[in-house]
Amino acid sequence: DGGITQSPKYLFRKEGQNVTLSCEQNLNHDAMYWYRQDPGQGLRLIYYSQIVNDFQKGDIAEGYSVSREKKESFPLTVTSAQKNPTAFYLCASSMGSRGSNQPQHFGDGTRLSIL
Amino acid sequence: QKEVEQNSGPLSVPEGAIASLNCTYSDRGSQSFFWYRQYSGKSPELIMFIYSNGDKEDGRFTAQLNKASQYVSLLIRDSQPSDSATYLCAVGVEKLTFGTGTRLTIIP
Repeated sequence: DGGITQSPKYLFRKEGQNVTLSCEQNLNHDAMYWYRQDPGQGLRLIYYSQIVNDFQKGDIAEGYSVSREKKESFPLTVTSAQKNPTAFYLCASSMGSRGSNQPQHFGDGTRLSIL
Repeated sequence: QKEVEQNSGPLSVPEGAIASLNCTYSDRGSQSFFWYRQYSGKSPELIMFIYSNGDKEDGRFTAQLNKASQYVSLLIRDSQPSDSATYLCAVGVEKLTFGTGTRLTIIP
């Protein structure tokens, strides 16, 4: 059953704590993306990766970090430097790499809240 | 700053009628256009994508693109209550810019 798996579904962060959101795909997609969605707003791009061991900042990368050590995995760490982390985090992937216009498909998302 | 504009709605349409959702974009060089459906509390689901001027039909859905006017639309024929959702327009290659979405309600 191919797809994009995000975990956990819900996550709570204490002040000063780093937390890591998992994103795994078995679609053999080259590109992976992280977005943040706040109520009443569109999706905003945090980071994206088009190839293993390479990634680029999106529009709101401050306070976040990523790694791409395997094609299937693109974890996102929300650091303590991100002062307003409460949001719905969405991971997406697409076929093709640089310059590709293939559609992006989304996982089910992770809801992060501050304790 | 690339922008994608959508009317936030809510747009109310009677069951069985045609729902028309509109989107304008600022980057004249944009090449790829996507429509996603998002139910409340869920993640976006790809509905349609279009790359060339004109119409593209898939079942009850038709995407329309006019690059000269920087305008893309989604028509939903024979609207059903299950079509009630927020529809997101996205534009770009590699890095997508999303609109804030139009909330559509189908009235039985």
